[in-house]
Amino acid sequence: DTEVTQTPKHLVMGMTNKKSLKCEQHMGHRAMYWYKQKAKKPPELMFVYSYEKLSINESVPSRFSPECPNSSLLNLHLHALQPEDSALYLCASSHHRGWSTEAFFGQGTRLTVV
Amino acid sequence: GIQVEQSPPDLILQEGANSTLRCNFSDSVNNLQWFHQNPWGQLINLFYIPSGTKQNGRLSATTVATERYSLLYISSSQTTDSGVYFCAVEREETSGSRLTFGEGTQLTVNP
Repeated sequence: DTEVTQTPKHLVMGMTNKKSLKCEQHMGHRAMYWYKQKAKKPPELMFVYSYEKLSINESVPSRFSPECPNSSLLNLHLHALQPEDSALYLCASSHHRGWSTEAFFGQGTRLTVV
Repeated sequence: GIQVEQSPPDLILQEGANSTLRCNFSDSVNNLQWFHQNPWGQLINLFYIPSGTKQNGRLSATTVATERYSLLYISSSQTTDSGVYFCAVEREETSGSRLTFGEGTQLTVNP
């Protein structure tokens, strides 16, 4: 099984709302990632978790708050977003270093901030 | 940071044609992946190819790590091959692994 599951697939939220994106994998991967992709651009790394600890934060604004409650789950909490935050948010997972680190992506959450 | 350049940026083919997509990268990398992004946004793994040559049906890929490039070959293209093809390279750093993507090649296959 090489599946990464993201929910919801689509999300429309107002600038004062609080929402969460969820990501789940059962491949035994201990590295999980959040990427952001704007239209006609490549995905850009936001956060990396290794063994449930945040290891990379690419200077992401604090209105994005990641959480890794266990080795299978990754959340992205959203609060007070701006319209320019509208994008496709992709979750990925891979084995940690030392293994084959092939990354597998979920189908993404298409977020619209109104 | 590492630079990843893909060419061509856009490619239009007739069904049945062959094509070669190129990915150049500016520094040594641990690994390299090719993805196809479908119209719904899903990134589909094509190849995990840090070096050497692999084939999967009509697709094949070659990475020459010492010369810092990778090639993706598509033979007998079909309309379902349309979409964006990304090359992504991985560098392992003390803080963790990160994938850096090229800008992609937008492929359109016409019937």
